[in-house]
Amino acid sequence: ETGVTQTPRHLVMGMTNKKSLKCEQHLGHNAMYWYKQSAKKPLELMFVYSLEERVENNSVPSRFSPECPNSSHLFLHLHTLQPEDSALYLCASSQDGDRRTEQYFGPGTRLTVT
Amino acid sequence: TQLLEQSPQFLSIQEGENLTVYCNSSSVFSSLQWYRQEPGEGPVLLVTVVTGGEVKKLKRLTFQFGDARKDSSLHITAAQPGDTGLYLCAGVAYNNNDMRFGAGTRLTVKP
Repeated sequence: ETGVTQTPRHLVMGMTNKKSLKCEQHLGHNAMYWYKQSAKKPLELMFVYSLEERVENNSVPSRFSPECPNSSHLFLHLHTLQPEDSALYLCASSQDGDRRTEQYFGPGTRLTVT
Repeated sequence: TQLLEQSPQFLSIQEGENLTVYCNSSSVFSSLQWYRQEPGEGPVLLVTVVTGGEVKKLKRLTFQFGDARKDSSLHITAAQPGDTGLYLCAGVAYNNNDMRFGAGTRLTVKP
């Protein structure tokens, strides 16, 4: 595997379910990001991790819980989601946490909450 | 919070035509990036511009950063079906290093 991978690619879950999204980067980068992409809306930055420490949490509801066990892996734990949380969730990584540094995105997980 | 407005929201053209899409804001950016996102994939960086008035070319794509570093344009010459995708701009704020994306222009190039 190369670049940034995300699993699963598609996920359908009920509002009472608990699920996790996984992201893995094979680029040796030190920063990782979670974004939410909804139709006709700008990408919304959710969380930023730099050297495995969370450096940014953009007022994301607590039903989204990130975890970064090491610099190559990033998880997004989901529980009691709402239908409006349905979106494409993108993971990205960059060499460092400077926003001007190129970010490499994964293909995303298409989440549908029923 | 700086907002980036991209226009047009949708654009459908025939192969061989030229087009320009825009990214505008009232905020000043230290840098601005353009990404292309194809269906089922994540965005891929095309270019980063950092100097006011800067022009960068990538084959048939020409990117320009406004003199005041508040806006940018992407011009495609002789568009091809392979150019189809969602074009996103993202700006890094000059004052706080915050990065924001626009909602994108969805381009369809018909053969």
